[in-house]
Amino acid sequence: ILNVEQSPQSLHVQEGDSTNFTCSFPSSNFYALHWYRWETAKSPEALFVMTLNGDEKKKGRISATLNTKEGYSYLYIKGSQPEDSATYLCAYRSGGGADGLTFGKGTHLIIQP
Amino acid sequence: DTGVSQDPRHKITKRGQNVTFRCDPISEHNRLYWYRQTLGQGPEFLTYFQNEAQLEKSRLLSDRFSAERPKGSFSTLEIQRTEQGDSAMYLCASSLAISTNEQYFGPGTRLTVT
Repeated sequence: ILNVEQSPQSLHVQEGDSTNFTCSFPSSNFYALHWYRWETAKSPEALFVMTLNGDEKKKGRISATLNTKEGYSYLYIKGSQPEDSATYLCAYRSGGGADGLTFGKGTHLIIQP
Repeated sequence: DTGVSQDPRHKITKRGQNVTFRCDPISEHNRLYWYRQTLGQGPEFLTYFQNEAQLEKSRLLSDRFSAERPKGSFSTLEIQRTEQGDSAMYLCASSLAISTNEQYFGPGTRLTVT
């Protein structure tokens, strides 16, 4: 059974502050790590797909890093805005032909004005 | 809107009834996935298709669940003899069969079994 853990489970951040949270995943048989943002009543939105150890990706104020050897990824949000409030999900894809993603439970981020 | 669409968005049914959900993927995507999310959990993989072929099924997909993608375009997920434990958000995603396999999700169908 693949175990993908996210921490913290929830997070309250003051508007304008920067924040980060963690996704840990099995380091063996790694293929890809996906990050999604999911706002209530909307579709989960793809943020990043990361495949290479040491990879760093950026999209506006959001960035992510990947360490496949130790099995973790960080998501950073710089200068949080109210529209960043959402659940952030990471999902692991293993090698060997399996195509379904294994998701963590998510980090629920609330930005306080 | 050219994203993934799902119908219905909400479904309330009585225990024992059958329900069917539909997913329309992004038109050029040949892979289609079904996931289920229950309260407090992340989405859990159920099954996926490449074109019309169902290539992978999770152990979560009991005999009461069946999925089809007859012409390699839209897909249906049917649950027979629903149980209260089937109450969940059912998500559909689609992707191109390329190495990154970025999956694009629909808004989901919220099922409540009473």
